Amino acid sequence: GAGVSQSPSNKVTEKGKDVELRCDPISGHTALYWYRQSLGQGLEFLIYFQGNSAPDKSGLPSDRFSAERTGGSVSTLTIQRTQQEDSAVYLCASSLGGGRSNQPQHFGDGTRLSIL
Amino acid sequence: GESVGLHLPTLSVQEGDNSIINCAYSNSASDYFIWYKQESGKGPQFIIDIRSNMDKRQGQRVTVLLNKTVKHLSLQIAATQPGDSAVYFCAETDDYKLSFGAGTTVTVRA
Repeated sequence: GAGVSQSPSNKVTEKGKDVELRCDPISGHTALYWYRQSLGQGLEFLIYFQGNSAPDKSGLPSDRFSAERTGGSVSTLTIQRTQQEDSAVYLCASSLGGGRSNQPQHFGDGTRLSIL
Repeated sequence: GESVGLHLPTLSVQEGDNSIINCAYSNSASDYFIWYKQESGKGPQFIIDIRSNMDKRQGQRVTVLLNKTVKHLSLQIAATQPGDSAVYFCAETDDYKLSFGAGTTVTVRA
């Protein structure tokens, strides 16, 4: 079946520009997560959605980062006024249940963001 | 005392041999653990999970062992194949936020 789909797969932009990253989760998955993977570092949690609500935004690095989810499905992660340190792979995951449901998170292939 | 496997950043294994990848986790409250495989240019791919009320779980060619006493997790891959070459991550959580280990790069020698 279809997995988590992310677009674009690669994005190169100039410092100071805004970018939007899109995630289409597995159909029926109510929970959606964004993580960031930087070179030489592990994956770090950014934000968690349960349905359209984001009960945990604690991982967003600054107020330049925001995310929304509509219709309990597609999510967009927006980075405003991009900085070079924002360069990373942004990964989206979804799971059947959220919270403490102990359901595996399934990842997309990510968006590779490069800030020049 | 009990012997616990050391986490190694890289592992080279002969095709057909068994592989053991180790992971030490930090949060004693973690109750759910997942192993992921990540190939170059791809996202992490779910391999197998285990809950804290178990100490062993088997899948197809893979076995996960959990030792809560020493906060240690291992992934065993039977009859390693070239397609098993990848970076392997363990992840832990006590809610929904996954915390990932440093990763082990597995290279399979023909």
